[in-house]
Amino acid sequence: DIQMTQSPSSLSASVGDRVTITCRASQSISNYLNWYQQKPGKAPKLLIYATSTFPSGVPSRFSGSGSGTDFTLTISSLQPEDFGTYYCQQAYSTPLTFGGGTKVEIK
Amino acid sequence: EVQLVESGGGLVQPGRSLRLSCTASGVTFGDHVMSWIRQAPGKGLEWVGLIRSKAFDGTAEYAASVKGRFTITRDDSKSIAYLQMDSLQIEDTAVYYCTSVLVWFGELFRAHYGMDVWGQGTTVTVSS
Repeated sequence: DIQMTQSPSSLSASVGDRVTITCRASQSISNYLNWYQQKPGKAPKLLIYATSTFPSGVPSRFSGSGSGTDFTLTISSLQPEDFGTYYCQQAYSTPLTFGGGTKVEIK
Repeated sequence: EVQLVESGGGLVQPGRSLRLSCTASGVTFGDHVMSWIRQAPGKGLEWVGLIRSKAFDGTAEYAASVKGRFTITRDDSKSIAYLQMDSLQIEDTAVYYCTSVLVWFGELFRAHYGMDVWGQGTTVTVSS
């Protein structure tokens, strides 16, 4: 199975800050990497798929990059509504696997 | 608008069975791959399995942790996906989410999956 490792596990940042979350795969997954946002008590929401493609309605301050084993999710200007936990997920092969999550708090 | 509603969760003793349902609306259900994801209390997300649409042979795949105990089926005439859970263990305690699956094809016509619409989740507690 492909292991996904996220860092950091948590971060605290101010509104307007640039925030970067890293996800590393245990083997190359090309660009088959998805990101989700989950707010407390709610279901996750697909934020980005295939590394850098957005479903409709996702704000443009979010961006994704990477290839192979190393990927990043960037929030260019953190907003109060961006708090929550972010998960990466490899879409290269089944079993689908998720990273452990990065909890984002607003200072 | 696509909506998914899970039902069937509850408290069950170890070793017993439970069946979860996921009812879809606002979508041509039969065209969609469906998946189940779970989240243990205070933990991250774990993929449980998926079932392909009939157009892609309708087969199911499972995580190793549930293979042989859990079965995913679908009734396209009712727009419902099911998760039959047998021989439940304490570590199966979690919120179970049903999702529709975004599918795209890459090299060698291989399918790749993302969970694009999620239900609200249903809680399964396995305890004596």
